Amino acid sequence: GALVYQYPRRTICKSGTSMRMECQAVGFQATSVAWYRQSPQKTFELIALSTVNSAIKYEQNFTQEKFPISHPNLSFSSMTVLNAYLEDRGLYLCGARDGGAAEQFFGPGTRLTVL
Amino acid sequence: GDSVTQTEGQVTVSESKSLIINCTYSATSIAYPNLFWYVRYPGEGLQLLLKVITAGQKGSSRGFEATYNKETTSFHLQKASVQESDSAVYYCALSASGTYQRFGTGTKLQVVP
Repeated sequence: GALVYQYPRRTICKSGTSMRMECQAVGFQATSVAWYRQSPQKTFELIALSTVNSAIKYEQNFTQEKFPISHPNLSFSSMTVLNAYLEDRGLYLCGARDGGAAEQFFGPGTRLTVL
Repeated sequence: GDSVTQTEGQVTVSESKSLIINCTYSATSIAYPNLFWYVRYPGEGLQLLLKVITAGQKGSSRGFEATYNKETTSFHLQKASVQESDSAVYYCALSASGTYQRFGTGTKLQVVP
């Protein structure tokens, strides 16, 4: 079956430091990976969409300078939160899709706490 | 842009009673987006509950069902008889391209004995 893993599941970082999180697809080819953030009391907000062999598209209010993403192959993607501050805390979710499939498979999320 | 609206932030229902969670959508990028309901149980990840990709069709899973209504742009989630194990947060979502979803704000369902 298709599974998506995310590492780490929880992490704490000091304000102003950076934190890298990973997303791994197993059982299918992750031709596109979407990264989302759920801030406290909010819904899942799309950060960016990464498609293999295409440029990464960031949503308004999110930038490559703040959330650089790597998607080097069809099973792995990573995103870094640079210079994290309190407003960056929340649950970061990755959703991966295989080519023409109608849905994404989601990982369990990485919960980021910023002190 | 595309958006999804869930008006109830929290719903409390007695066990064995019926449930309806409202969801309406607005799609500007595509006429007929794919529609989804996801569920997140306490301590677990986001799971797909059901999806409908054709307007007018009904999707169902685990006793839940939702009908894609293009006239009212709604995709309400219903269940005839809820159980305590249904307590979770439910998210309505739409996808125009399939590569990402737009989520509603979520509805926390609490089923009480």
